[in-house]
Amino acid sequence: NAGVTQTPKFQVLKTGQSMTLQCAQDMNHNSMYWYRQDPGMGLRLIYYSASEGTTDKGEVPNGYNVSRLNKREFSLRLESAAPSQTSVYFCASSAQDRGINQPQHFGDGTRLSIL
Amino acid sequence: GENVEQHPSTLSVQEGDSAVIKCTYSDSASNYFPWYKQELGKRPQLIIDIRSNVGEKKDQRIAVTLNKTAKHFSLHITETQPEDSAVYFCASDTGRRALTFGSGTRLQVQP
Repeated sequence: NAGVTQTPKFQVLKTGQSMTLQCAQDMNHNSMYWYRQDPGMGLRLIYYSASEGTTDKGEVPNGYNVSRLNKREFSLRLESAAPSQTSVYFCASSAQDRGINQPQHFGDGTRLSIL
Repeated sequence: GENVEQHPSTLSVQEGDSAVIKCTYSDSASNYFPWYKQELGKRPQLIIDIRSNVGEKKDQRIAVTLNKTAKHFSLHITETQPEDSAVYFCASDTGRRALTFGSGTRLQVQP
C-alpha cells in the first residue's frame, strides 16, 4: 500500500517548456488535490477533483491545467513554464463521505525549478 | 474565500515545556480543522483534527481546542521533545471539500 505516489521527485525546466506532474493513489479515495508550497506561504490549492470526472479551480489555478484520468490518477500540467512556478508541488487525496471532509493524505512532493 | 491566519510564525521552547499555536479563520461555514506536521524536506502529515461539533480533542501529548463563536482554534503540545521540532500548519475546510492552510509555525524544541 503505497498511499499517494508522485512523479517525478525533481525536475528542472527552462522558461516556456511544458511538463506534466503525475499523481496516483491506491486508497480508493474519491477526492484528489494539487497544492504548491512556497517558502513562508504554507500550501496553496491549485486545483482539486471532488470525484472522478470533475475538476475545480482552487486559489492559484492560473498557468496550470489538470486531468482526472480515472479514480486513481490526477495529473497537473504546466503548458508554458514560468520562473514564478518554481515551487514544491504536493498531491493529496481524501475519502469524502457524504460531503463530510476526511483527512487528506499527501505524496512526497515534486521539487520543480524553472530557469 | 476562506482566510486562515496562524501565529506565531516561529516558536522556540525548552524541552519539556508546552507549546501553543493559534489560528483564526474567516468562513463561519467551516466545520473541519486539521493540523499537519511537516519535517524538513518531507510531506505534511496529519497529527490531529477536530470537527465543529466538538470543542476539544486530545491524543496523548497533543490537543486541539475550537471556539466557533470566535472562529479560532489552537494546537497544544505538552512535554515537548526534540522530535517535535518541525513546521506545523493549521487548515480549515472551505465548504468545497478543499482546505485553506495557514502560513505555518516553525517550532524549535531546545534540548
